[in-house]
Amino acid sequence: EIVMTQSPATLSVSPGERATLSCRASQSVSSSLAWYQQKPGQAPRLLIHGASTRATGIPARFSGSGSGTEFTLTISSLQSEDFAVYYCQQYNNWPPGTFGQGTKVEIK
Amino acid sequence: QVQVVESGGGVVQTGGSLRLSCAASGFAFSSYGIHWVRQAPGKGLEWVAFIRSDGSNKYYGDSVKGRFTISRDNSKNTLYLQMNSLRAEDTAVYYCARSGITIFAVATLWGQGTLVTVSS
Repeated sequence: EIVMTQSPATLSVSPGERATLSCRASQSVSSSLAWYQQKPGQAPRLLIHGASTRATGIPARFSGSGSGTEFTLTISSLQSEDFAVYYCQQYNNWPPGTFGQGTKVEIK
Repeated sequence: QVQVVESGGGVVQTGGSLRLSCAASGFAFSSYGIHWVRQAPGKGLEWVAFIRSDGSNKYYGDSVKGRFTISRDNSKNTLYLQMNSLRAEDTAVYYCARSGITIFAVATLWGQGTLVTVSS
């Protein structure tokens, strides 16, 4: 089973600043990588699939990059509604679709 | 409105059974695969099971294989998760999530979840 490791566990960022979240796979997952956002008390929401393709309705300030084992989610200018937990998920070796442990983006 | 809505959660004793349902509306249910994903209190996401659009193939995570059964009734636009031999570690919010139409492994539309609590 592929292990997904996210860093950092918590990221403190001021509104308007850039946030950079990392996700590493224990072996290559090609570009089969998705990012999800989960706000407190809510269900997750798909942000990115195929490592860099934004899902329908996702603002352009969210961007994904990477391939193989190293991936990045960048939020170019944090808005108040972006403070949440972000999960990456690989689906190259599926099933299972293994998730990372999450990165919490909090207000600095 | 395009949505999936879970129901059937509750408190059950260790070793007991529970059946979750997921009602879909606003889209062509029979064209999409559906996932179950769970989240233990304060923890991350764990993929549980998936069923293809026509029910022909089913897949399970190792932690639930042999105990949980995923099924669907396309005439009722409803997905099910039969959970048997429940353990304390099965305590979680269970989400159903629609797959992509072409990328079936990705969960593109999530419900609000239903809480299952397994206690002794």
